[in-house]
Amino acid sequence: GDSVTQMEGPVTLSEEAFLTINCTYTATGYPSLFWYVQYPGEGLQLLLKATKADDKGSNKGFEATYRKETTSFHLEKGSVQVSDSAVYFCALSPTPGGDYKLSFGAGTTVTVRA
Amino acid sequence: KAGVTQTPRYLIKTRGQQVTLSCSPISGHRSVSWYQQTPGQGLQFLFEYFSETQRNKGNFPGRFSGRQFSNSRSEMNVSTLELGDSALYLCASSPASDGTLIFGYTFGSGTRLTVV
Repeated sequence: GDSVTQMEGPVTLSEEAFLTINCTYTATGYPSLFWYVQYPGEGLQLLLKATKADDKGSNKGFEATYRKETTSFHLEKGSVQVSDSAVYFCALSPTPGGDYKLSFGAGTTVTVRA
Repeated sequence: KAGVTQTPRYLIKTRGQQVTLSCSPISGHRSVSWYQQTPGQGLQFLFEYFSETQRNKGNFPGRFSGRQFSNSRSEMNVSTLELGDSALYLCASSPASDGTLIFGYTFGSGTRLTVV
């Protein structure tokens, strides 16, 4: 079945540092890929998405590129802020006509120190 | 534009009781999904509804059920609560009718259920 593997956390960074969170997936066909962020006490917010190979999703300084050849969708940000402290989830939805659900990675907790 | 609204935000129930959680999707969104989030199991899919029809169900016991109304609002019910049902229950809605989810899902803030 479909699955997503994220790098384990927690990740602790200083402000203005570079952030990378690795995400790889297993799926048949051409899934859509997403990054969600969860702040303490809140639900999930869609951070960015990509729906086909080589697409780059971007939002709020975060970027991720859909790499079909390496089945990856790594999240990057060049200069993090304290406000980026959150849990980040990589997720996929299956090929068109699939089973109407998201498969999530385990989540990566990121803490940014001032 | 109002987001996905889940009620109540917090709930404490006793083992053996039943509980109903409510979700109002974004206006115009006809697909509603439910997820359970726990520290041990992470985010797990419960079920998805579109136009009052359940299109998929996750691997949960029959004590977990749901439904969707004609106005797209959805409820989920858990009967005979167990301690292990303590979790954050998240509802999400999408305008998409097909499986691509190219629009992504918009999530609510969740209902925190504690079973004692």
